[in-house]
Amino acid sequence: GNSVTQMEGPVTLSEEAFLTINCTYTATGYPSLFWYVQYPGEGLQLLLKATKADDKGSNKGFEATYRKETTSFHLEKGSVQVSDSAVYFCALIIPTGGGNKLTFGTGTQLKVEL
Amino acid sequence: DGGITQSPKYLFRKEGQNVTLSCEQNLNHDAMYWYRQDPGQGLRLIYYSQIVNDFQKGDIAEGYSVSREKKESFPLTVTSAQKNPTAFYLCASSTQMGTGELFFGEGSRLTVL
Repeated sequence: GNSVTQMEGPVTLSEEAFLTINCTYTATGYPSLFWYVQYPGEGLQLLLKATKADDKGSNKGFEATYRKETTSFHLEKGSVQVSDSAVYFCALIIPTGGGNKLTFGTGTQLKVEL
Repeated sequence: DGGITQSPKYLFRKEGQNVTLSCEQNLNHDAMYWYRQDPGQGLRLIYYSQIVNDFQKGDIAEGYSVSREKKESFPLTVTSAQKNPTAFYLCASSTQMGTGELFFGEGSRLTVL
């Protein structure tokens, strides 16, 4: 089956530090990959996506590259802000023949301190 | 503004009672979903609907029921058969199944007393 594994949190960083949140996946087929973000007390928002190998998704200073050889989609940001404090979810979907349902990781909480 | 509205935001229920969570969207999306979120477990799919008058069970449908009588609305009923209903419930929609690009509501937190 399909699965997503994320690093456990919480991840605590100082403002302006470099961020990496690891995400690896297993999939039967060719997945599209996503990062979603959940701010406190809210629903999830799509942060970025990549649909094929070597694609780089980017948004709001965050980036992630679809690495087929390592089955990874790590989230990075060069300089985090307090406002980036949230829970980040990695997810995948098999667009065709895979049931058309998103598979989510368990989420990684990020805390950014001044 | 287009979006998804969930209500109520907080709900308390006594054991043995059914409760219905509302989800309305004005995005003109065909597909709608209900997820349950528990600490440390990520999101688990309860039910989904690809089109009006049709819905399918997700991974944890037992103790839940849904209806899809209108494109805009996808209410979730948590029945007394659900053994551990205290959780955060999220409704989402997408233009169609398979895109992976979901729009979420702000969630409803249900507590069973």
